[in-house]
Amino acid sequence: DQQVKQNSPSLSVQEGRISILNCDYTNSMFDYFLWYKKYPAEGPTFLISISSIKDKNEDGRFTVFLNKSAKHLSLHIVPSQPGDSAVYFCAASKWQGGKLIFGQGTELSVKP
Amino acid sequence: KAGVTQTPRYLIKTRGQQVTLSCSPISGHRSVSWYQQTPGQGLQFLFEYFSETQRNKGNFPGRFSGRQFSNSRSEMNVSTLELGDSALYLCASSLGSPGQPNTGELFFGEGSRLTVL
Repeated sequence: DQQVKQNSPSLSVQEGRISILNCDYTNSMFDYFLWYKKYPAEGPTFLISISSIKDKNEDGRFTVFLNKSAKHLSLHIVPSQPGDSAVYFCAASKWQGGKLIFGQGTELSVKP
Repeated sequence: KAGVTQTPRYLIKTRGQQVTLSCSPISGHRSVSWYQQTPGQGLQFLFEYFSETQRNKGNFPGRFSGRQFSNSRSEMNVSTLELGDSALYLCASSLGSPGQPNTGELFFGEGSRLTVL
């Protein structure tokens, strides 16, 4: 039972353009959402988070949007850079600090 | 501040053997979580420990077990290894104290890559 789903295993984007990574969840009890980035041979690192009381959170080039009615969140990277090439995981928890449930990941490739 | 340290980084075992993986959390972090990463499955939650007590457990068979010591260091053990146990095992730490404000962010180690032949 995959409660957090990232349906696109991979995404390729041109440098300077926008990257949009999508994530869907099924459990309406989820209240807190995070995005992590993972380079090969490294552990995932925290990127950005959003609480269910918000519908948008921005941090530099990264913006996360949350649509609670659709149980959908997305990560926008603008402008995309080659260094952004990595696997991106979305994660959800029932409360801030609770157990994180991760999606399968989307591999982003930003081409120069 | 030192990050999360996992040992060993790589190991090869054969079916039926058992393995123990170790994790040292960031100093001051009392919660340690373990995840299994396999291609196509993402990060699957194994268990979480806080103050030497298992606080959460994922849907893995009893062959997977763990523990946490008084210094917050944690170990996980997999017995009777199967080919499907080949994966990257990631440990993550956080402040994790219920009732105390925190970002919910987990700090991951680099993982232990287990290959079962």
